Amino acid sequence: DSGVTQTPKHLITATGQRVTLRCSPRSGDLSVYWYQQSLDQGLQFLIQYYNGEERAKGNILERFSAQQFPDLHSELNLSSLELGDSALYFCASSVGSGKTYEQYFGPGTRLTVT
Amino acid sequence: AQSVAQPEDQVNVAEGNPLTVKCTYSVSGNPYLFWYVQYPNRGLQFLLKYITGDNLVKGSYGFEAEFNKSQTSFHLKKPSALVSDSALYFCAVRDAGDDKIIFGKGTRLHILP
Repeated sequence: DSGVTQTPKHLITATGQRVTLRCSPRSGDLSVYWYQQSLDQGLQFLIQYYNGEERAKGNILERFSAQQFPDLHSELNLSSLELGDSALYFCASSVGSGKTYEQYFGPGTRLTVT
Repeated sequence: AQSVAQPEDQVNVAEGNPLTVKCTYSVSGNPYLFWYVQYPNRGLQFLLKYITGDNLVKGSYGFEAEFNKSQTSFHLKKPSALVSDSALYFCAVRDAGDDKIIFGKGTRLHILP
């Protein structure tokens, strides 16, 4: 158990809908990362937050947004969902914001868009 | 732009034999390199990292990796494979001059009893 929690574990929704994925980092970790894992795209880095501020941006679509709250938990909002958004979404956390820190991954949220 | 390549989709090794999972990278600055493992229906777990210093890095579960700057490689190794090592392995790189993190496509390791 990495100490990173994600809810829900599974989510099934229809095209055009909006969902929110939630992540709680390990105790003491200030950085949160979001990833999308799909069979065709592999593991794609979406976005990183550090202590409430956006720190780095990857291949995140404009329909997606995220934030990190004062208690350090984070939410990833996915809107106008398309079939291609079906994937496993991981949250990870690390102690600091720097590039040398390893990340600890949550168990993921499996999103199915029908 | 930075990139990571894991040239083998799958590697099969007999139990007890040494294993190698290959990773090559491309960055503009100094690389920070990581290996992670993913077991079925689980998140990724950190194995080891290279930041600076000794080119041979030791990590969890008996794994080690060798950083080779001239060949821009960071291959994962283990002297004696266990069936329980069967999993999906990811190499990742961060460029000292860029905030993004890039993961390879993953290599599925099968250890045959």
